[in-house]
Amino acid sequence: AQRVTQPEKLLSVFKGAPVELKCNYSYSGSPELFWYVQYSRQRLQLLLRHISRESIKGFTADLNKGETSFHLKKPFAQEEDSAMYYCALVTGTYKYIFGTGTRLKVLA
Amino acid sequence: EAGVTQFPSHSVIEKGQTVTLRCDPISGHDNLYWYRRVMGKEIKFLLHFVKESKQDESGMPNNRFLAERTGGTYSTLKVQPAELEDSGVYFCASSQEVGRKYFGPGTRLTVL
Repeated sequence: AQRVTQPEKLLSVFKGAPVELKCNYSYSGSPELFWYVQYSRQRLQLLLRHISRESIKGFTADLNKGETSFHLKKPFAQEEDSAMYYCALVTGTYKYIFGTGTRLKVLA
Repeated sequence: EAGVTQFPSHSVIEKGQTVTLRCDPISGHDNLYWYRRVMGKEIKFLLHFVKESKQDESGMPNNRFLAERTGGTYSTLKVQPAELEDSGVYFCASSQEVGRKYFGPGTRLTVL
């Protein structure tokens, strides 16, 4: 079955602390994974995709096929990182399978 | 460039009524998708258009939902008749390439 699991509904960290948002997937094919972010009162927007291997706003995510994970990390959280984060898997038919999302709250 | 737009931003209707949601994709994007987030659950795929053709409508919940994309430009999603469980946020997205999608702001539908 194709599935994306984000085990944490809410993650609270203090400003300057490291952040790790977990994402695990289940997919029989070769996965293509994304992280999307939705800031308050804004639309869902792409944060990063695994094939780009880039760092956006200090966030990185590495695809670990052995552990079927694509965790999102940032070494030092900022207050402006507070948002809803969604991990998404794209299937062969181009549709996304989303996780339930993790709300990140960065406390001052 | 203008992003994906959706109208209305919020709709409140009574059970049994009809509602039509509209999505205008980014100009030139052949792929258009509808997704839905029901309260407390994940964002779920509804359907995918390539130009005016339905490529995949496996996520449409039942025959009360009808999506169209006449002329391959904007799309409408009609719910008739609406039920309480249809409440949620309906997102539209468009893309030119495989993978990266641009999302609209969503339409929040409340069925009373």
